[in-house]
Amino acid sequence: QVQLQQWGAGLLKPSETLSLTCAVYGGSFSGYYWTWIRQPPGKGLEWIGEINHSESADYNPSLKSRVTISVDTSKNQFSLKLSSVTAADTAVYYCGRGEMGSRQLVLAYWGQGTLVTVSS
Amino acid sequence: DIVMTQSPDSLAVSLGERATINCKSSHSLLYSTNNKNYLAWYQQKPGQPPKLLIYWASTRESGVPDRFSGSGSATDFSLTISSLQAEDVAVYYCQQYFITPRTFGPGTKVDVK
Repeated sequence: QVQLQQWGAGLLKPSETLSLTCAVYGGSFSGYYWTWIRQPPGKGLEWIGEINHSESADYNPSLKSRVTISVDTSKNQFSLKLSSVTAADTAVYYCGRGEMGSRQLVLAYWGQGTLVTVSS
Repeated sequence: DIVMTQSPDSLAVSLGERATINCKSSHSLLYSTNNKNYLAWYQQKPGQPPKLLIYWASTRESGVPDRFSGSGSATDFSLTISSLQAEDVAVYYCQQYFITPRTFGPGTKVDVK
C-alpha cells in the first residue's frame, strides 16, 4: 500500500525559506509525477508544481521564481523549497503522487498535510 | 492558465436526494489524440487531504461508491451524487490536468438539508 509521509518546519518568519520533505512508502518511486499542492486556511487548492520521472520539474508561474522541487531517489523522497516567504504563503502544504498509465497525472495518493504559518 | 469555475458555491440536499455540481473550464480539456477529457473530481473532508473520486471526467476511482458519477466533455462537466449520504458532506473540487499549471476549481460545499 502506498503511503506518503511529509514533514518540515511549521512556523517561519517572513523572508525565510520553507522546506518540506515527503517520503514515499510502498510501490515504485520511479515513473510518477511527484507533486506539491497548497491550501490557505479556509480556501481552495493551489497546484505548486511537480517533478517527473526524468527529474524534469514544472512550476506554477505564480511561484516559479521562488520554488524548487527535487527528488532523492536513493531515499524515495522528494522535497519542496519556497524562498522569501510572506504571510500569503501561510497554508497547509500537501505532497501527492501523480499517476502514470491508465490514471495518468491524477493525484491518487496524498500526504497528510503540513500547516506552515509565516509570522513575524 | 486554464481557469476552472464551479457552481454552485454550496448546496444543501436532503439525505437520499440527488446533488449535482457543475464545473466549467476556460479551455477544452478534450485531447483529440486519445479522446479523453483531462478532468478529475476530488472530495475533501475537514482536516483531511483531498480524495480522488473521478478521473477522465467519468471514470470512478477504485473503491468509490457508485452513487458518485461524472459526466461532460470539453469545457462543461458535472459531478452527481445520486443519493446523498451523511458521509458525503464535504467540499468537492474539479481539477484539470490537461496542461500545467494543473488548476483546481474553487470548490463546492455539500451539506445535508
